Amino acid sequence: AIRMTQSPSSFSASTGDRVTITCRASQGVGSYLAWYQQKPGRAPKLLISAASTLQSGVPSRFSGSGSGTDFTLTISCLQSEDFATYYCQQYYTYPRTFGQGTKVEIK
Amino acid sequence: EVHLVESGGGIVRPGGSLRLSCAGSGFTFDDYGMSWVRQGPGKGLEWVSGINWNGGSTGYADSVKGRFTISRDNAKNSLYLQMNSLRAEDTALYYCARDRGRLTSVPADYWGQGTLVTVSS
Repeated sequence: AIRMTQSPSSFSASTGDRVTITCRASQGVGSYLAWYQQKPGRAPKLLISAASTLQSGVPSRFSGSGSGTDFTLTISCLQSEDFATYYCQQYYTYPRTFGQGTKVEIK
Repeated sequence: EVHLVESGGGIVRPGGSLRLSCAGSGFTFDDYGMSWVRQGPGKGLEWVSGINWNGGSTGYADSVKGRFTISRDNAKNSLYLQMNSLRAEDTALYYCARDRGRLTSVPADYWGQGTLVTVSS
């Protein structure tokens, strides 16, 4: 199975900060990469698909980039509602696999 | 509006079996692949299994291969997960998710609220 590794696992940030989360695949997945946001007690929400395509209704402060094995999720200006856990997932092939998650906490 | 409702969770002893169901509404069920994703207590997301629109293609996580079976009944707008030989490490909240399209190389875009499975003696 393809292993997805996110970094960092967690960090603290302040409202207004620019934050970047990275995701690395153990083998190439093309652009078949999604980013999900999950808040406590809630189901995950799809933010970005195809590595960089923002889903309808997702604020433009979120952006994704990368292809092959290295990907990033950037939040340009962190808002209070963005404090959550973020997961990358490859859907290039079965079994699909998630990264371990990155928890963004309030500083 | 897309709606996914899971059911069938509960408490089961190690080695036991359980069948989860997911009822879909608000969309044409056989136009979409479906997936099961789980989350253990305090843990991250783990993709468990997926199935394409007509059941012709299925996939499983290594951790459940040979023990779990995914299936669907498009006439009933329903997705299933038969779980056998359950282990303590299968304890989790199990989410049903709709894939973006018919193929397997698409992400999940809608999720249910989950059904809790607890494996304990």
